[in-house]
Amino acid sequence: GENVEQHPSTLSVQEGDSAVIKCTYSDSASNYFPWYKQELGKRPQLIIDIRSNVGEKKDQRIAVTLNKTAKHFSLHITETQPEDSAVYFCAAQGGEYGNKLVFGAGTILRVKS
Amino acid sequence: DVKVTQSSRYLVKRTGEKVFLECVQDMDHENMFWYRQDPGLGLRLIYFSYDVKMKEKGDIPEGYSVSREKKERFSLILESASTNQTSMYLCAGGGADTQYFGPGTRLTVL
Repeated sequence: GENVEQHPSTLSVQEGDSAVIKCTYSDSASNYFPWYKQELGKRPQLIIDIRSNVGEKKDQRIAVTLNKTAKHFSLHITETQPEDSAVYFCAAQGGEYGNKLVFGAGTILRVKS
Repeated sequence: DVKVTQSSRYLVKRTGEKVFLECVQDMDHENMFWYRQDPGLGLRLIYFSYDVKMKEKGDIPEGYSVSREKKERFSLILESASTNQTSMYLCAGGGADTQYFGPGTRLTVL
């Protein structure tokens, strides 16, 4: 069935360290993978996305990598700052998911200063 | 800047009441979605719509219905609210892939 697995569910890092969140999807025909950040009490905001014709995408301190063979994609945050603390959601679209976004369960990231 | 708005940030209703949650988007996008968000369960799709007067069930449609009479407006209806529908409800609008979320409505059913 349609499923996106996201790990870890919680992640604590020291300020300045890197954080990595990984998601696995089930259908190799999926072709769009966004990442959303949700700060406490706020709406999820798109922070970066990647399409299946690209292996990696960077935007300042954040990057996303896609491994189509293994059917997983990861969010990398370097030089973490306290304002990076939030819940992060991955999602997948296409293939068996159709035009819907299927979300992972979320990762609570805490950056300790 | 794209904008998705929801009619209420907080709502308290009683069991058995009919509840309307309204969502409006100004992006002129065809696609609109309703999710509920519960701790540890992520975002679960209730219903979505790809066009006016069109609707499709998501993963958890039971107890809900929707209405899309105009392109910019997508309403979620709880015909008879129950306590297990206490949750955060998020509306989203989007094009072919990217979705933009509204601020959410925290609904409490007593």
